[in-house]
Amino acid sequence: AQSVTQLGSHVSVSEGALVLLRCNYSSSVPPYLFWYVQYPNQGLQLLLKYTTGATLVKGINGFEAEFKKSETSFHLTKPSAHMSDAAEYFCAVSDRGEYGNKLVFGAGTILRVKS
Amino acid sequence: NAGVTQTPKFRVLKTGQSMTLLCAQDMNHEYMYWYRQDPGMGLRLIHYSVGEGTTAKGEVPDGYNVSRLKKQNFLLGLESAAPSQTSVYFCASSPTGAGTDTQYFGPGTRLTVL
Repeated sequence: AQSVTQLGSHVSVSEGALVLLRCNYSSSVPPYLFWYVQYPNQGLQLLLKYTTGATLVKGINGFEAEFKKSETSFHLTKPSAHMSDAAEYFCAVSDRGEYGNKLVFGAGTILRVKS
Repeated sequence: NAGVTQTPKFRVLKTGQSMTLLCAQDMNHEYMYWYRQDPGMGLRLIHYSVGEGTTAKGEVPDGYNVSRLKKQNFLLGLESAAPSQTSVYFCASSPTGAGTDTQYFGPGTRLTVL
């Protein structure tokens, strides 16, 4: 079964600094990988996803992630943090279930942005 | 489009009581999912549905039942609530269940079992 590990349950950065959120996956087949964001008291929304093709994926709000097969990683980055980026971020991998595919989520990383 | 909606937003139950959470989507999606979110554990899949009348177990199905009588609705039932079921519950839907599909999430239901 596929799995995801997010390194660091909490990350704190200063406004304007680089954001780096780490995600490593385990998959027996070529993975489909996702990053979702959850703002306080809201549901999750998709930031970006990797399916096939280009390994550098650009998402919404200036975020991007690079799929590195050799490192089994899919880290999320943003060059310059904004206060509005404060949220919880989840990495997920698609896993084949009894009927169709389902997502397996990591434990999440809470991003704090300091002014 | 409203997307994915969940009813109710908050609920407090006593141990042993029952309740049903309702999820509705207006995107004509085939697949629907119920997750629970607990601190430090991410989202864990409870049950999911691949279409009207067909459901399957996820990672943590015990103590829950589901039904999908209409394509747009997916109900999650707790027959005899326990404190361990205190959690935030999210519903999601996706178009086809393909591995590349995006899942669209509702705003969540915060359930407390005393």
